[in-house]
Amino acid sequence: SQQGEEDPQALSIQEGENATMNCSYKTSINNLQWYRQNSGRGLVHLILIRSNEREKHSGRLRVTLDTSKKSSSLLITASRAADTASYFCATDEDETSGSRLTFGEGTQLTVNP
Amino acid sequence: ETGVTQSPTHLIKTRGQQVTLRCSSQSGHNTVSWYQQALGQGPQFIFQYYREEENGRGNFPPRFSGLQFPNYSSELNVNALELDDSALYLCASTGGRNEQYFGPGTRLTVT
Repeated sequence: SQQGEEDPQALSIQEGENATMNCSYKTSINNLQWYRQNSGRGLVHLILIRSNEREKHSGRLRVTLDTSKKSSSLLITASRAADTASYFCATDEDETSGSRLTFGEGTQLTVNP
Repeated sequence: ETGVTQSPTHLIKTRGQQVTLRCSSQSGHNTVSWYQQALGQGPQFIFQYYREEENGRGNFPPRFSGLQFPNYSSELNVNALELDDSALYLCASTGGRNEQYFGPGTRLTVT
């Protein structure tokens, strides 16, 4: 079953603009992770934010987490055509080692040159 | 590159057949998870192996089974293939902060 719901399902922007994707989930989590996937291939880990963190940055990426609203957002600043991909949030509910992730259905981002 | 490899890249099978997919995890990672991703959807957790033992299973029938070997490589076996088993199968090894490193996937088509 899918825990996360991404919003929007699809987003099309111009190069240089910022892209914001949102994710909502239903249960308590240990951490939330964002992944990127190009053309139905393997997922690339972008950023992990723990349940006791509110914001994290990595390069042009900014992730926020609001556990009271059970939601997270991923902001990509100054987007590039190469950022075109599907973006997934995934929640990890398990505090033990291993990390069994529950994914949303993703946001398809298109960055037009 | 994540250091996780999967084989084969693509596979076409007939309904009712059996298939084995393989995964080599990133060096030093002793936990491997398998996911099924249907077209247009997010990945769904199948099961996880930790030090050669199954360590959690998602909502998949018993005809989905797995193995992990002493070198932490892993196999996913699916018996009695059904058309709905057509999907991208992803394996992932778990890093020290519980982030997962995914392989490129195996695209399985069942006809």
